[in-house]
Amino acid sequence: DPKIIQKPKYLVAVTGSEKILICEQYLGHNAMYWYRQSAKKPLEFMFSYSYQKLMDNQTASSRFQPQSSKKNHLDLQITALKPDDSATYFCASSQPGLEDTQYFGPGTRLLVL
Amino acid sequence: QQQVRQSPQSLTVWEGETAILNCSYEDSTFNYFPWYQQFPGEGPALLISIRSVSDKKEDGRFTIFFNKREKKLSLHITDSQPGDSATYFCAASASNNRIFFGDGTQLVVKP
Repeated sequence: DPKIIQKPKYLVAVTGSEKILICEQYLGHNAMYWYRQSAKKPLEFMFSYSYQKLMDNQTASSRFQPQSSKKNHLDLQITALKPDDSATYFCASSQPGLEDTQYFGPGTRLLVL
Repeated sequence: QQQVRQSPQSLTVWEGETAILNCSYEDSTFNYFPWYQQFPGEGPALLISIRSVSDKKEDGRFTIFFNKREKKLSLHITDSQPGDSATYFCAASASNNRIFFGDGTQLVVKP
């Protein structure tokens, strides 16, 4: 059974719209993260949450907003979508005390037209 | 400035050979270096990792060699198998929650 679930697997959106990427982890971890992987750049750290609180934000744009409704959930809301937002978005998690040992989900591949 | 660099960009070896993937980094505060393996359409999977207090870490056919003075490390895959064909990412962290990734090395193992 998959331990980190990301939904949907593929997502097509129009410029200017809003989408929510879902992430749930069943590893019992308390820290969760979002990364982005695009054709132009290596895997980039975006956000980290610990115990449902924002710990680090490396995303310049406020159009990207993480949402944590439960300890094992960290969704990513993206507003006013742009074609440059097209990328694969990965959710990851880690256990307390081992924040640098992160496990990744399968990703959501977003295409903005 | 990219924090982690990898070479070569792509590598082809024959089955049974040893593949050597190289990595270098900039930030001397980095003290944890995981390698991730990624297959097409999947997320990166943690393969093996090393902390800066060690100079070698072995796990089966996978070995990391680490040179702190030169800020370099390498991943050796011995007895390469076609199933090892994937993209390998070197990454680095400074004991916080942020991991920096290299651009990856695409490995092809020919049978």
